[in-house]
Amino acid sequence: GQNIDQPTEMTATEGAIVQINCTYQTSGFNGLFWYQQHAGEAPTFLSYNVLDGLEEKGRFSSFLSRSKGYSYLLLKELQMKDSASYLCAVPLTGGGNKLTFGTGTQLKVEL
Amino acid sequence: DGGITQSPKYLFRKEGQNVTLSCEQNLNHDAMYWYRQDPGQGLRLIYYSQIVNDFQKGDIAEGYSVSREKKESFPLTVTSAQKNPTAFYLCASRPGTGPYEQYFGPGTRLTVT
Repeated sequence: GQNIDQPTEMTATEGAIVQINCTYQTSGFNGLFWYQQHAGEAPTFLSYNVLDGLEEKGRFSSFLSRSKGYSYLLLKELQMKDSASYLCAVPLTGGGNKLTFGTGTQLKVEL
Repeated sequence: DGGITQSPKYLFRKEGQNVTLSCEQNLNHDAMYWYRQDPGQGLRLIYYSQIVNDFQKGDIAEGYSVSREKKESFPLTVTSAQKNPTAFYLCASRPGTGPYEQYFGPGTRLTVT
């Protein structure tokens, strides 16, 4: 089966850098997704990692280590609008292109 | 503009009534999904469909039903058998194969009293 762990909450200061970690256990690996979700809204896609290493996309970067079952999302130059829940998800094995989601990390950006 | 629409945004029902949530996409995606989200919890898969006229149960299908008569549409019915139906419901779609992300609709918040 699949299991995903993320911290429940984090707080950071505007302009700072924050790292949101995600660990996973899966019987087969086919990549890892990060989504951003503002309260009451739909999740929006941030990144997809399938190979080890860091992928940078503007202020957001995502890192993957398959051997450690570990990923993180790095947010730089934090802005108030980055206050949101960040969801880590991995595809389930067994077909259907289904995703299993972590419970999400609620990030609060303060002045 | 292409996208996924869900209606209505907010829905209120009395206990014991069935209610159908709408999900429409014009992205020409083959696969569609229904999730439920409760406070402090991740998204949980209710049903999914990879092609028209075919659908599969997810992790929490009890008390729900779906249909997929058209590629664009994947309505979800919350039946009176669902013991705790109040939740935020999200519909998603993706192209049929490959490592593609799922695209989400805006969600419907259902409150049953």
